[in-house]
Amino acid sequence: GEDVEQSLFLSVREGDSSVINCTYTDSSSTYLYWYKQEPGAGLQLLTYIFSNMDMKQDQRLTVLLNKKDKHLSLRIADTQTGDSAIYFCAESFSGNTPLVFGKGTRLSVIA
Amino acid sequence: NAGVTQTPKFRILKIGQSMTLQCAQDMNHNYMYWYRQDPGMGLKLIYYSVGAGITDKGEVPNGYNVSRSTTEDFPLRLELAAPSQTSVYFCASSYPGGRDEKLFFGSGTQLSVL
Repeated sequence: GEDVEQSLFLSVREGDSSVINCTYTDSSSTYLYWYKQEPGAGLQLLTYIFSNMDMKQDQRLTVLLNKKDKHLSLRIADTQTGDSAIYFCAESFSGNTPLVFGKGTRLSVIA
Repeated sequence: NAGVTQTPKFRILKIGQSMTLQCAQDMNHNYMYWYRQDPGMGLKLIYYSVGAGITDKGEVPNGYNVSRSTTEDFPLRLELAAPSQTSVYFCASSYPGGRDEKLFFGSGTQLSVL
């Protein structure tokens, strides 16, 4: 079945790198996503990666995908206090099946 | 650009009352979704729709109903509110027929049932 797992909390110092990890169970996923939720707001798409890619870089964000181990990670370089939020990993499949979300990782950035 | 608009932002209900959470999008998206978010539990899919006139149950549909008479609107109805329905509710939509399923979320409705 479909399941997406994330650790619930991560705390880093301002200026350090953050790495948020995610594992998923279904190897037929087509796209994998990272969504960001700031306090009191809905989720916003941060970045995504197609399942045939290993890595995607977008400014301070690096997404790594290990399809063999079904492991996805999000690295945030030079983490800032504005990066404090909940980060959700999600996977999608072909057809009309909705996204499956993880429970979210709460990132706290200490000044 | 309005995007996905949810109303109301906050609501307190008594047990047994009913209400409708409104959701509208102006992006001509075919796909629309209702999620609930409970602390530490992530998002759980309640209902979704792939187009006007078509709705499907998600993971936690009990106690809720939806309708999709137009592309723009996807209201969520609670008929007999229960304390277990205290949650934050998010409506979302995605690109028409989009393979990559990028979701656009509303800002949420915080519902308390007392």
